[in-house]
Amino acid sequence: AQSVTQLGSHVSVSEGALVLLRCNYSSSVPPYLFWYVQYPNQGLQLLLKYTTGATLVKGINGFEAEFKKSETSFHLTKPSAHMSDAAEYFCAVSDSGTYKYIFGTGTRLKVLA
Amino acid sequence: DSGVTQTPKHLITATGQRVTLRCSPRSGDLSVYWYQQSLDQGLQFLIQYYNGEERAKGNILERFSAQQFPDLHSELNLSSLELGDSALYFCASSASGRVDEQFFGPGTRLTVL
Repeated sequence: AQSVTQLGSHVSVSEGALVLLRCNYSSSVPPYLFWYVQYPNQGLQLLLKYTTGATLVKGINGFEAEFKKSETSFHLTKPSAHMSDAAEYFCAVSDSGTYKYIFGTGTRLKVLA
Repeated sequence: DSGVTQTPKHLITATGQRVTLRCSPRSGDLSVYWYQQSLDQGLQFLIQYYNGEERAKGNILERFSAQQFPDLHSELNLSSLELGDSALYFCASSASGRVDEQFFGPGTRLTVL
């Protein structure tokens, strides 16, 4: 069965600092991996996705993630945090054989002025 | 704006009652997914429909049912409501039945008193 683990339910960074949100997955078949962001009182918005090909994936708002098969990881990074990045971030895994996402428990990012 | 609409935005009801949540997918999308987001369970996949037919089932209770109509809108019916059913219910849509980017609606917040 597939699963996703997001380390750290809450992460705080200073404005301008590096953002690193961790995601590890478990999958017996090649995974499809996604990062979604949820702003307060809103639905989820796709930040980026990995299906096949290049392992470094660039997304919206300056975020990127690297698929590392050997480490079963798909960590989300952004070089310089902005106040507007404060939100909850969800990692999700799926694969070509199923039609559903398995979401992690989410990481709430706080950006300090 | 993802293009996915959900009504109502908020719903307050009593235990034992039945409610219907409605979702209209993005224009042209054939797949609709339902998710439940609660504090204790996180974001859980409930069910998927593709072009009117049930495609995948997740952690959906027997008290819950869904359907997708010929015009592709979907309804999630929740009956014999319990306090623990209080949650945010999200609908998402995607273009096809394969694993693909899902576009999320703003959600319906259900409160069971």
